[in-house]
Amino acid sequence: DTAVSQTPKYLVTQMGNDKSIKCEQNLGHDTMYWYKQDSKKFLKIMFSYNNKELIINETVPNRFSPKSPDKAHLNLHINSLELGDSAVYFCASSQTTYEQYFGPGTRLTVT
Amino acid sequence: GENVEQHPSTLSVQEGDSAVIKCTYSDSASNYFPWYKQELGKRPQLIIDIRSNVGEKKDQRIAVTLNKTAKHFSLHITETQPEDSAVYFCAAKGRNAGNMLTFGGGTRLMVKP
Repeated sequence: DTAVSQTPKYLVTQMGNDKSIKCEQNLGHDTMYWYKQDSKKFLKIMFSYNNKELIINETVPNRFSPKSPDKAHLNLHINSLELGDSAVYFCASSQTTYEQYFGPGTRLTVT
Repeated sequence: GENVEQHPSTLSVQEGDSAVIKCTYSDSASNYFPWYKQELGKRPQLIIDIRSNVGEKKDQRIAVTLNKTAKHFSLHITETQPEDSAVYFCAAKGRNAGNMLTFGGGTRLMVKP
């Protein structure tokens, strides 16, 4: 059973394109997150989404937008991709305010 | 916002020795401190966590200690094994909405057989 899943696993695209990454969790959790891990392995929170409440990390460019069709899904849309957007993007979820469980990650490469 | 610093950035130990990784945080209102292990090409996995109402927690070979006064917490791994080799991240949940975690920069642990 896959608790938190993401698609695609790899995404290669050109600068200026728009792309989406999908995330699904089957844990019944009520909060989902998106993190960015850069080439130096630093993990940074981008968004938190709980019961239709979106909390945005102030450093995230507005080219990034999460969309949640339902409680089990939180997709990430990225417009006008830039070279600096290349990273691994992790989705995560939690039920309480504590333990967060991560998805397998999506490696985005912008050329 | 919260700021978390982690040391050392790399740590090499002999199999069977102990390893200690230390983190400091800035927000005195932080109340939750998880540790994640990330193997190469894999997702971060929660290995142990501690809440601000306790000072120490242990799970088999791993333990975490928390000093709220000094605003630092540490991960202790005893009897290290080659499969403990990975990048370890500490994190803190500070005074913010959305349950967002702030991560330290990571420690690459290498256990030599």
